[in-house]
Amino acid sequence: GENVEQHPSTLSVQEGDSAVIKCTYSDSASNYFPWYKQELGKGPQLIIDIRSNVGEKKDQRIAVTLNKTAKHFSLHITETQPEDSAVYFCAASSYNQGGKLIFGQGTELSVKP
Amino acid sequence: SAVISQKPSRDICQRGTSLTIQCQVDSQVTMMFWYRQQPGQSLTLIATANQGSEATYESGFVIDKFPISRPNLTFSTLTVSNMSPEDSSIYLCSVDYGANTEAFFGQGTRLTVV
Repeated sequence: GENVEQHPSTLSVQEGDSAVIKCTYSDSASNYFPWYKQELGKGPQLIIDIRSNVGEKKDQRIAVTLNKTAKHFSLHITETQPEDSAVYFCAASSYNQGGKLIFGQGTELSVKP
Repeated sequence: SAVISQKPSRDICQRGTSLTIQCQVDSQVTMMFWYRQQPGQSLTLIATANQGSEATYESGFVIDKFPISRPNLTFSTLTVSNMSPEDSSIYLCSVDYGANTEAFFGQGTRLTVV
């Protein structure tokens, strides 16, 4: 089955700096890669996603890149703000697995003012 | 989008007892899932709740321990049976409108077993 590895487990940046979180996946059939943000005491919330027919997607300060050949995808947050502090999860899924999401281990991002 | 109401939000239970968690969605959804998130860990899928039929469980999870109901397209329950301290986790309900679409999550149920 699918296995998703996420790095780093913790990341501390200064406000205004960029943050990058990386994930690798094992199943070449995976074709949907969402990123979720989880704040303390809340459920995860989708912040951006990318499908396998696209190499990059951007939404304001957030971007995701996908390298299908290498089976890795990354989340880029620019101009970080203290409210970006949270735990971020990458995930992968495929149609032939019924769209079940397999999550990475999570990255705790801390943005210091 | 989907708004998910999950109850209870937290509970402290005695070992050997059972707790039923409810998940109510504000619209009819295609898929409903239950996840477990152990302290400081990632999300692990327990099962897919199927409307009108038995749930589909992931490896390592069994119906006797985690019975699931889904009587309609907007409601599901997860029961954690015969609880032990190892069952202390956050349990999350999730829904989506089809494979490879945005998944929405409830706020979770924080369960502590003593």
